[in-house]
Amino acid sequence: SYVLTQPPSVSVAPGKTARITCGGNNIGSKSVHWYQQKPGQAPVLVIYYDSDRPSGIPERFSGSNSGNTATLTISRVEAGDEADYYCQVWDSSSDPSVVFGGGTKLTVL
Amino acid sequence: QVQLQESGPGLVKPSQTLSLTCTVSGGSISSGSYYWSWIRQPAGKGLEWIGRIYTSGSTNYNPSLKSRVTISVDTSKNQFSLKLSSVTAADTAVYYCARAEDTAMVIAYWGQGTLVTVSS
Repeated sequence: SYVLTQPPSVSVAPGKTARITCGGNNIGSKSVHWYQQKPGQAPVLVIYYDSDRPSGIPERFSGSNSGNTATLTISRVEAGDEADYYCQVWDSSSDPSVVFGGGTKLTVL
Repeated sequence: QVQLQESGPGLVKPSQTLSLTCTVSGGSISSGSYYWSWIRQPAGKGLEWIGRIYTSGSTNYNPSLKSRVTISVDTSKNQFSLKLSSVTAADTAVYYCARAEDTAMVIAYWGQGTLVTVSS
């Protein structure tokens, strides 16, 4: 089955740029979606199809995907961005399924 | 605006069957090309996809849970349901229902989640 690998944690100072990676075999050939989850809340879609932003998501959130790594970039990080972030793909193999990365805890210092 | 709401017992005994229902409001469950999904999250851990049912009724399940999972839809009630059999403590989690769009499974709408504890 397909595996997505995320770093468990990323720390960044307010106003700086955070980059959260999602590794997978030839992930650049798949569409990657990103979710933000704050404690006690359901996940919220922040990036879809690698780099598109849903309405209501700040332009500070952006995404890219190439080769074996997809990246979620959060510019000008704010305290309110502190959350868990998950990448996700659809694996259309012989046993198709949704695959989530293990999640990355973003800490704003 | 589509809204989803999970309901069902919060406590299930080991070896029994976990049953949850998701009620969809703000749109018909049988219209459009959507995948109605179940996702779970054990306390302090990541998200795990359980399975999905398409508008047509076709299903796909997580290979690791496939032997124990059934997802069905009741269009007359605008609901879809999850049954997970032979549960153990490892099935204790917050269970989310969600709506995904297109073949890439963009999950744009989530329920608030419901905690199910497996314990005797």
